[in-house]
Amino acid sequence: DAGVTQSPTHLIKTRGQHVTLRCSPISGHKSVSWYQQVLGQGPQFIFQYYEKEERGRGNFPDRFSARQFPNYSSELNVNALLLGDSALYLCASSLEGQNYGYTFGSGTRLTVV
Amino acid sequence: QKEVEQDPGPLSVPEGAIVSLNCTYSNSAFQYFMWYRQYSRKGPELLMYTYSSGNKEDGRFTAQVDKSSKYISLFIRDSQPSDSATYLCAMSEVGGRRALTFGSGTRLQVQP
Repeated sequence: DAGVTQSPTHLIKTRGQHVTLRCSPISGHKSVSWYQQVLGQGPQFIFQYYEKEERGRGNFPDRFSARQFPNYSSELNVNALLLGDSALYLCASSLEGQNYGYTFGSGTRLTVV
Repeated sequence: QKEVEQDPGPLSVPEGAIVSLNCTYSNSAFQYFMWYRQYSRKGPELLMYTYSSGNKEDGRFTAQVDKSSKYISLFIRDSQPSDSATYLCAMSEVGGRRALTFGSGTRLQVQP
């Protein structure tokens, strides 16, 4: 079975640009979460979506947004990129109502120059 | 002060040693406690999770939770070079904003 898949794997963007990251959850998982992991730190929660609705939001500016599609895949969008947005962006999928045991993808490494 | 504190290491041990990894936390609402392993340039991989206090064993891995002290541990017996990775503790509430709160990770190196 395919795990959580993320695309692209690597991305280089210029300050001020916009980026879209994509995630497909494990088959049968209807909930998708996004995390940002800065080098040397643990992942930080950005969003959780279930059935196309936002279920939770972390402490990130409005430049960060996300959505979930009917097939449960998801996109994370970041506008007006800053150097500090350089990080590994992780997507995790889970069953509904499950607050533990999330399965993570390998992430998208974003570099902002 | 961070909600979850974890010693960043690095921790270097010889093959076959018993490894102890620890986290402390401040949020009394945390009920689920997880340990993830992360290899370089990969996403975190779930090793174990426990609910509330107690111990849980899975092969060479044992997780312990002491809610009274707000302290969790992961023990690795008979450590192998393949165990070399960063270990992240993570915690979550029941319900709530459905987010995992991670420690900063401990880098472990097992020397052959």
